[in-house]
Amino acid sequence: DTAVSQTPKYLVTQMGNDKSIKCEQNLGHDTMYWYKQDSKKFLKIMFSYNNKELIINETVPNRFSPKSPDKAHLNLHINSLELGDSAVYFCASGPSGSLQGQFFGPGTRLTVL
Amino acid sequence: GENVEQHPSTLSVQEGDSAVIKCTYSDSASNYFPWYKQELGKRPQLIIDIRSNVGEKKDQRIAVTLNKTAKHFSLHITETQPEDSAVYFCAASLDALIFGKGTTLSVSS
Repeated sequence: DTAVSQTPKYLVTQMGNDKSIKCEQNLGHDTMYWYKQDSKKFLKIMFSYNNKELIINETVPNRFSPKSPDKAHLNLHINSLELGDSAVYFCASGPSGSLQGQFFGPGTRLTVL
Repeated sequence: GENVEQHPSTLSVQEGDSAVIKCTYSDSASNYFPWYKQELGKRPQLIIDIRSNVGEKKDQRIAVTLNKTAKHFSLHITETQPEDSAVYFCAASLDALIFGKGTTLSVSS
């Protein structure tokens, strides 16, 4: 009965590979997000989807492509992985509108070798 | 765009003392200010939030204050306990959460 779940929890891969991280929420929220947390713990928003529509796309390389098959899922696909992509990626969800708290998934630790 | 500054970056207190973390934001249109606690290896968890039409909010040992004119807000933790040790993030929101860089709070017994 986890509210926001992500798979995998850990992902170790070689430079140049393509990988995907999956996210699902069962809270009935309309909006889902991807955040990147770097080694200095800085949390930065990457994307926001509302009812499967892209709302926010921060300055993120186009190697990163989010996909939302339905409003309960927001997956993140990363092409041609680079060393600098190593980080913890958090999915989150929240009700529509900004005046509500977001709930985070457990995170995916991506290590690019 | 919005920019959130958070201070201090690290804070060490003795058990039972109070801890205060301060944040400033740049976009006066931001209207929602949550605080998240992140324990080592865990996800950020919402601990308290405040909306722009409220000046103060309290939940047991945690309180948040907001000064819209000065564009700053603060987290106050009273009677700190070792389990309060974590990284705390403030955020400001208009259409997306913009986080401060975090404060590592250490409570020693």
